[in-house]
Amino acid sequence: NAGVTQTPKFRVLKTGQSMTLLCAQDMNHEYMYWYRQDPGMGLRLIHYSVGEGTTAKGEVPDGYNVSRLKKQNFLLGLESAAPSQTSVYFCASSPHTDTQYFGPGTRLTVL
Amino acid sequence: GENVEQHPSTLSVQEGDSAVIKCTYSDSASNYFPWYKQELGKRPQLIIDIRSNVGEKKDQRIAVTLNKTAKHFSLHITETQPEDSAVYFCAASIQGAQKLVFGQGTRLTINP
Repeated sequence: NAGVTQTPKFRVLKTGQSMTLLCAQDMNHEYMYWYRQDPGMGLRLIHYSVGEGTTAKGEVPDGYNVSRLKKQNFLLGLESAAPSQTSVYFCASSPHTDTQYFGPGTRLTVL
Repeated sequence: GENVEQHPSTLSVQEGDSAVIKCTYSDSASNYFPWYKQELGKRPQLIIDIRSNVGEKKDQRIAVTLNKTAKHFSLHITETQPEDSAVYFCAASIQGAQKLVFGQGTRLTINP
């Protein structure tokens, strides 16, 4: 099992550009999450999904959109990137046990 | 909503000594409390967790204690080693909510 994977690993954008981050898991988990990690701020939940076809807002959803068309994939989109969205983005997945398993992260820089 | 406060933000201990990190939570309905370790440039990884029906849980050199009345829980690492150097995050979750709220993290440094 590959577990939770994320693509790309690194990305540099200019202000106003758009991009999509892909998260994939092969553990048949129902729940998937997108977090951002900034220095001194811990992990903050952006959006999450409790099953295929469902999404919900987390703590910091503004400027992001998500989609869960397939159970194994959870996409995070930035329609018009801003410097404030420079961060490390982590995806996670969870079975029905609360325990979350994290992907390796995507380091995004917005110039 | 739930709020989790974590202290200290940085902690430096001598190799072989013990380290303690504390977290407080606000929602008395929270019943799941995991701890994650994140090494530099790596993903957070679960090291131990506890549910509200248990007061203490141990796994070799690490232990977690929970005080439901005071709404705080702590991570204890004994006989610290250089490989324990990392950032540690606590989190709390309400059963059924399927969301974790994380503390701000503690950077632990083990000095040889």
